[in-house]
Amino acid sequence: GAGVSQSPRYKVAKRGQDVALRCDPISGHVSLFWYQQALGQGPEFLTYFQNEAQLDKSGLPSDRFFAERPEGSVSTLKIQRTQQEDSAVYLCASSLAHGRTEAFFGQGTRLTVV
Amino acid sequence: ILNVEQSPQSLHVQEGDSTNFTCSFPSSNFYALHWYRWETAKSPEALFVMTLNGDEKKKGRISATLNTKEGYSYLYIKGSQPEDSATYLCAPVDDKIIFGKGTRLHILP
Repeated sequence: GAGVSQSPRYKVAKRGQDVALRCDPISGHVSLFWYQQALGQGPEFLTYFQNEAQLDKSGLPSDRFFAERPEGSVSTLKIQRTQQEDSAVYLCASSLAHGRTEAFFGQGTRLTVV
Repeated sequence: ILNVEQSPQSLHVQEGDSTNFTCSFPSSNFYALHWYRWETAKSPEALFVMTLNGDEKKKGRISATLNTKEGYSYLYIKGSQPEDSATYLCAPVDDKIIFGKGTRLHILP
């Protein structure tokens, strides 16, 4: 596709359930970023990949959060044993070359934990 | 951790007036600075990527300046229009892109 694609767009999970959020970056984009956006806030950094290597995961809020990009293209953000405080929009962005080129964002996945 | 501050948090501007807002960031380890425009119910879209001290970029009525030595960037909007209502995000880059909390701009008709 022409842009960054995220799925599902909306996810309702029961507390304690595991969820997996998918990001399809723009073809050929080396860098991939995950952000968490709480209501009324700007995006908060979660983790960053360059190709298949996860170079920074310092923003992951707990060890229940796990991200992978095994073949350097599609990425999955997994949240285990979801809690209410995990409710947020999860944004994925990709860019050609880290930092010096703009990042393109997907539409996000809105996760609601009930 | 890259500490980014944007001010003001929120701004109401009369249609036709010009306005500006600020992004402050640590001047050490500077690599690049991005500005994004984020409309409600949409994804952030890039306005500018700036890399050089003294850079000034312009897109239509919107322009931005960069001072990497003192660690700030200004975004200017000339002759505000209703379609300018959005949140404007600043994102300095060291080894990752870190977003500020944004300035929420409301244009009053």
